[in-house]
Amino acid sequence: GDSVTQMEGPVTLSEEAFLTINCTYTATGYPSLFWYVQYPGEGLQLLLKATKADDKGSNKGFEATYRKETTSFHLEKGSVQVSDSAVYFCALDKAAGNKLTFGGGTRVLVKP
Amino acid sequence: DGGITQSPKYLFRKEGQNVTLSCEQNLNHDAMYWYRQDPGQGLRLIYYSQIVNDFQKGDIAEGYSVSREKKESFPLTVTSAQKNPTAFYLCASSKTGASGANVLTFGAGSRLTVL
Repeated sequence: GDSVTQMEGPVTLSEEAFLTINCTYTATGYPSLFWYVQYPGEGLQLLLKATKADDKGSNKGFEATYRKETTSFHLEKGSVQVSDSAVYFCALDKAAGNKLTFGGGTRVLVKP
Repeated sequence: DGGITQSPKYLFRKEGQNVTLSCEQNLNHDAMYWYRQDPGQGLRLIYYSQIVNDFQKGDIAEGYSVSREKKESFPLTVTSAQKNPTAFYLCASSKTGASGANVLTFGAGSRLTVL
């Protein structure tokens, strides 16, 4: 079946550091890929998405590129802020299923 | 503003009791979902519904029940058959379509604690 694997956290960084969160997937066909973010005590919000190979999703300084050859969708941000402290979830969706498969989430803590 | 409202935000239950979590959306979305989130873990799908009066089991449906009598509402009942119900429950909705880029909108969640 489909699955998503993320690096385990927590990831602790200083403000203005570079952030990378690795995400790889296993799926048949051509899934769409997503990053969602969950701030403390809240639901999830869509951060960015990519629907086909080599697409780059971007939002709020975050970027991720859909790499079909390596089945990866790593999340990056060049300079993090304290407000980026949250849990980040990688997910995939296939047209036929219409429901998301989530990775385990990666907690990020940014210290001033 | 359009969105998803979950209630209650916090709920305490004694063992052996059924409880119902409410989820209402005014986004005119066709599909609705219930996920369970445990500490340090990802989201696991409990039930989902793509159309009124129809729903399907997700990966961990045992001990839960749902109904979809109205497009706007998708309540989840946690029954006494659910052996470990303490968790954070998230409701979500989406437009259905053939594009595959199924963006979910989430509610703020309901935290259930069994005493």
